[in-house]
Amino acid sequence: DADVTQTPRNRITKTGKRIMLECSQTKGHDRMYWYRQDPGLGLRLIYYSFDVKDINKGEISDGYSVSRQAQAKFSLSLESAIPNQTALYFCATSDPGTSAADTQYFGPGTRLTVL
Amino acid sequence: AQSVTQPDIHITVSEGASLELRCNYSYGATPYLFWYVQSPGQGLQLLLKYFSGDTLVQGIKGFEAEFKRSQSSFNLRKPSVHWSDAAEYFCAVGIIQGAQKLVFGQGTRLTINP
Repeated sequence: DADVTQTPRNRITKTGKRIMLECSQTKGHDRMYWYRQDPGLGLRLIYYSFDVKDINKGEISDGYSVSRQAQAKFSLSLESAIPNQTALYFCATSDPGTSAADTQYFGPGTRLTVL
Repeated sequence: AQSVTQPDIHITVSEGASLELRCNYSYGATPYLFWYVQSPGQGLQLLLKYFSGDTLVQGIKGFEAEFKRSQSSFNLRKPSVHWSDAAEYFCAVGIIQGAQKLVFGQGTRLTINP
């Protein structure tokens, strides 16, 4: 079984709808991240969480919210989806290392289309 | 502000040829540098990382990368590519703002000709 799973893998929704993307991990890591990937822009950080009580905004958090329900679960919500939120969304986890060199482990991604 | 630039959006090489993917970074402190690979329909997988010591880093799948501080570069190389290397490659710099965060480059898509 995969260490980092994301559901759903694909989703098509309409403008104005609320949608939640879910991420679960079995790696036992404290840190979890949400990124979006757009062609030509690489991955950009939306939110990150150091533990269940610590949530931080990334560089593109507007229009998104998150919930860390447990160490293993980190959900991303779009309260009112808009077309420019169409993208590939990745969840990642990492160990709280002593340097910035700890590795992030990525899920398979969720492809979201907002019509 | 920290940034990563991958100058080549798309590269095509023949199977068996050598490969070099370029990465330049901008970061005021000692950089922690990563290369990730994304195969079609998959998440990102770490190829290698640099954080100190030897500037030539060996990774998985026969890849290596060399950190050159004077050029602010961390180019990825492979002596002989295989058709299975076709993927998108991302360079990233790890920054410390309370904890590690990754800043990614735009990615380079690699196509392999048979």
